Amino acid sequence: AQKVTQAQTEISVVEKEDVTLDCVYETRDTTYYLFWYKQPPSGELVFLIRRNSFDEQNEISGRYSWNFQKSTSSFNFTITASQVVDSAVYFCALSEEEYGGATNKLIFGTGTLLAVQP
Amino acid sequence: DGGITQSPKYLFRKEGQNVTLSCEQNLNHDAMYWYRQDPGQGLRLIYYSQIVNDFQKGDIAEGYSVSREKKESFPLTVTSAQKNPTAFYLCASNPGNVLRHTEAFFGQGTRLTVV
Repeated sequence: AQKVTQAQTEISVVEKEDVTLDCVYETRDTTYYLFWYKQPPSGELVFLIRRNSFDEQNEISGRYSWNFQKSTSSFNFTITASQVVDSAVYFCALSEEEYGGATNKLIFGTGTLLAVQP
Repeated sequence: DGGITQSPKYLFRKEGQNVTLSCEQNLNHDAMYWYRQDPGQGLRLIYYSQIVNDFQKGDIAEGYSVSREKKESFPLTVTSAQKNPTAFYLCASNPGNVLRHTEAFFGQGTRLTVV
């Protein structure tokens, strides 16, 4: 079965601390994509990153970095020097092939609420 | 600006009533989706449509109905058969199968409350 697990329900840090959000996935397919989305209090999900199953290179974008490890089926997200504006719910999601085609459906984890205190 | 517009932002429904949530996109995307968000459960797929005049059930379609008569519109009706409709509803779109596994774009959501 396809599944995404975000074991951390809530994380609270003080501004400027580094924080890592964990994401573990299960899939039977060899071709799949992983995503991270941010949901601020306004409610809209904001796309952060997409990574395909054949690319295990880590990625860095400013204060954000992602560590993809197929051996442990994990796609963790680290925020360096956190800021109050980083406070949001973060979702990890999986998109995979279905019946030989991509429906682009996303399977979401339950999300991690990050609270950054000033 | 291109994007997805959901309306209304807040909606109150009496027991036994049907209500329709609007979702419009001007991104020229083929695929559209409806998700339901409950506290602690993440987002769950209700219905999706990959092309006009076609749609498929997602994981929790019972008590919901949709239509896709126009490319830019994908309204969701929450029927009286939905026993626990109070939730946050998010509409999304992406280009569809032409661009596989692309990211989805989301609207700002509709919060539905049964009173």
